[in-house]
Amino acid sequence: DVKVTQSSRYLVKRTGEKVFLECVQDMDHENMFWYRQDPGLGLRLIYFSYDVKMKEKGDIPEGYSVSREKKERFSLILESASTNQTSMYLCASSSRAASSYNEQFFGPGTRLTVL
Amino acid sequence: QKEVEQNSGPLSVPEGAIASLNCTYSDRVSQSFFWYRQYSGKSPELIMSIYSNGDKEDGRFTAQLNKASQYVSLLIRDSQPSDSATYLCAGPTQGGSEKLVFGKGTKLTVNP
Repeated sequence: DVKVTQSSRYLVKRTGEKVFLECVQDMDHENMFWYRQDPGLGLRLIYFSYDVKMKEKGDIPEGYSVSREKKERFSLILESASTNQTSMYLCASSSRAASSYNEQFFGPGTRLTVL
Repeated sequence: QKEVEQNSGPLSVPEGAIASLNCTYSDRVSQSFFWYRQYSGKSPELIMSIYSNGDKEDGRFTAQLNKASQYVSLLIRDSQPSDSATYLCAGPTQGGSEKLVFGKGTKLTVNP
């Protein structure tokens, strides 16, 4: 089974702090994604990485950066946390194999509260 | 048209009934689709994938894809209270993108 893990289930931070969210997958997937999910807005893509050190902006990259130094690990960084970044953050991964249809597998999520 | 649209519901059915969830998509979405189930406070879980026109059955779940009408549906037979969740449909964007486009989800409640 695909296993995607995230470093924290719940996180509380203060405005202005730098926040690191970590995601690790164990299925050797090439693609990794960071989403945030808010009531009424659905899943919104923040950043996407298709290879080590490669990244692509999603729909809402402002205020975020990412790092992918190893294939299995994808980090989301909030440079200076703000209250409007309070949300559920979801990491996902998918394979680029020819047999794959781009289905994504999600981690358990991190519920971040910024005070 | 938004790329993937779902009836946001909520949808309420009695236990044992058939729940029908629907999704329409635009030309910008490639024609393979996924259904995810998301329990409150949890992350989405992939429950069905469908790649070709027609029906695909897995236990109590049947996914239906109609490319001519650009809709995809999920039927849940013999609905159980444990099926109460939000269901998301998703499809890859056209042009070989690795990204998925998600609908906003339909909340299903199965009443005992």
